[in-house]
Amino acid sequence: SAVISQKPSRDICQRGTSLTIQCQVDSQVTMMFWYRQQPGQSLTLIATANQGSEATYESGFVIDKFPISRPNLTFSTLTVSNMSPEDSSIYLCSARRQGGGQGEAFFGQGTRLTVV
Amino acid sequence: AQSVTQLGSHVSVSEGALVLLRCNYSSSVPPYLFWYVQYPNQGLQLLLKYTTGATLVKGINGFEAEFKKSETSFHLTKPSAHMSDAAEYFCAVTGKLIFGQGTTLQVKP
Repeated sequence: SAVISQKPSRDICQRGTSLTIQCQVDSQVTMMFWYRQQPGQSLTLIATANQGSEATYESGFVIDKFPISRPNLTFSTLTVSNMSPEDSSIYLCSARRQGGGQGEAFFGQGTRLTVV
Repeated sequence: AQSVTQLGSHVSVSEGALVLLRCNYSSSVPPYLFWYVQYPNQGLQLLLKYTTGATLVKGINGFEAEFKKSETSFHLTKPSAHMSDAAEYFCAVTGKLIFGQGTTLQVKP
């Protein structure tokens, strides 16, 4: 298995500011992903964090709003930029050891973000 | 494109009764299918997965699911519900994990 640590676990932020969420995996993984889970809803994939190159964003998500870094095989960050109350959500980091989509994906506990 | 539909956003069963959570998928390629569980204020935990081979898949906590290609379904079952099974359950498809809407399972004493 893999243990994923996210920081911060929760935060309350002012609108117009930015928050960077950190995701640390306890071992090297092939793939890392960022999801958003709005209150009472399912998970929506924001982007795939690619090691050493730009992240791959899903429809509806853009790099200017959600810049992502992945400097190595165990760490990634997601920044939520120029926040508005609509960005209030839980943000989850996920990792998978192997490519091809077959392997188990592990999840962090999430970052609960409230924008006021 | 891939998608997942979970039928029933809320399922309520009595303790000891059969649990059936429904999941239908759409995929243009042979799918990888997953069921995850999320307990309140916690992350997601894998219950079971189907990639290839045997279509009846057994997972943790007594859950199992059967992949039925002809019905494009991957329903989750457990013969006897326990109070500790109360949680949110998500079906997901493919490598990037496209999630269904989720089903809240309530277990009544």
